[in-house]
Amino acid sequence: GAVVSQHPSRVICKSGTSVKIECRSLDFQATTMFWYRQFPKQSLMLMATSNEGSKATYEQGVEKDKFLINHASLTLSTLTVTSAHPEDSSFYICSGSTKETQYFGPGTRLLVL
Amino acid sequence: SQQGEEDPQALSIQEGENATMNCSYKTSINNLQWYRQNSGRGLVHLILIRSNEREKHSGRLRVTLDTSKKSSSLLITASRAADTASYFCATDATGGYQKVTFGTGTKLQVIP
Repeated sequence: GAVVSQHPSRVICKSGTSVKIECRSLDFQATTMFWYRQFPKQSLMLMATSNEGSKATYEQGVEKDKFLINHASLTLSTLTVTSAHPEDSSFYICSGSTKETQYFGPGTRLLVL
Repeated sequence: SQQGEEDPQALSIQEGENATMNCSYKTSINNLQWYRQNSGRGLVHLILIRSNEREKHSGRLRVTLDTSKKSSSLLITASRAADTASYFCATDATGGYQKVTFGTGTKLQVIP
């Protein structure tokens, strides 16, 4: 099946700093990528839908100025958590969409101290 | 609120037994998918069932879909310790295999 990678897999940062997470579709082109957040023992919550070459569409309650999404190419989308705070600590998962289904990355665990 | 809600929330069985998880959803869908997630890891796509399908098999997995009841079930037969994971259903209501909404998940523990 199609492969999606995320980098980094784990990141620890200080409060107030910004963190960038990359999501790459390795063997297919993803016109649409999705970003999810998952808190411990909870389900995945969609944060935003990212289409190549256009602005991301954010779900209700997700601050677009805090979670900056860039989808510069058909194989790369980035999520930047700006001015991170401890409450942003979470597991962030991206996915790339084909006509058949979504393929998920392995996730990035963010810990903000 | 979650589009999909799984029950039970947690399930513990002995190796070799069958495990059944249920998913209910609220709006009309075009397809429903089941995913597995090992603790702290990414998601693995298990199976997709379209709204015009009633049952689908993949190895030890059997998925049913009842659109009249807006529910689906995932059966894992002859469970193994390696099946221990959280299982999520996800529904796609847009028709383009695009945005999906995840259920609350069932945490399955298979005891060796």
